[in-house]
Amino acid sequence: TQLLEQSPQFLSIQEGENLTVYCNSSSVFSSLQWYRQEPGEGPVLLVTVVTGGEVKKLKRLTFQFGDARKDSSLHITAAQPGDTGLYLCAGGISSNDYKLSFGAGTTVTVRA
Amino acid sequence: EPEVTQTPSHQVTQMGQEVILRCVPISNHLYFYWYRQILGQKVEFLVSFYNNEISEKSEIFDDQFSVERPDGSNFTLKIRSTKLEDSAMYFCASSEGTGGAGELFFGEGSRLTVL
Repeated sequence: TQLLEQSPQFLSIQEGENLTVYCNSSSVFSSLQWYRQEPGEGPVLLVTVVTGGEVKKLKRLTFQFGDARKDSSLHITAAQPGDTGLYLCAGGISSNDYKLSFGAGTTVTVRA
Repeated sequence: EPEVTQTPSHQVTQMGQEVILRCVPISNHLYFYWYRQILGQKVEFLVSFYNNEISEKSEIFDDQFSVERPDGSNFTLKIRSTKLEDSAMYFCASSEGTGGAGELFFGEGSRLTVL
């Protein structure tokens, strides 16, 4: 089992502040995906990163894949209450891997 | 926008009963998956399915579990004799490609409560 560790586990910030969530592993991933999950719902895909060092932006969200493809980060600029949710990272080991390994998630709360 | 749909949204059953959870994957996707999430725990892989057969399964997916694609649209997960520890949210997902290249799209989940 390839373990993905997410930190911090919980994060509470004021509206307008920035935050960063980390996803780390000792394994190399062929790709890494970030999902957001609302209570009682399924994970919703935010982004996939596949190249070491890759940076992708989605409005105020910036995703980075580590050079060695073992880690990733999610940075939110000027967080808003609508960003509140559980953020999950998930990695695929190889292009023939039929499963994703998920991290435990970071619960982000943005206070108005 | 295409989406994965799951039924039922919530099922309550007695221990030892059989349960079938149903999913309609996105129509042009070729790979289908079941994941589960026990309350407060990680999303865990159960099984993947491609070309009408299981391509990979986890140690959780024992003989009590089975999957089937009975027709061109549905993908089902059957638990033959439910146990208390099977209580969880079960998520169906589908993708165009495999693991590293395929982006998974999840359904809203089926909450299974075993009493």
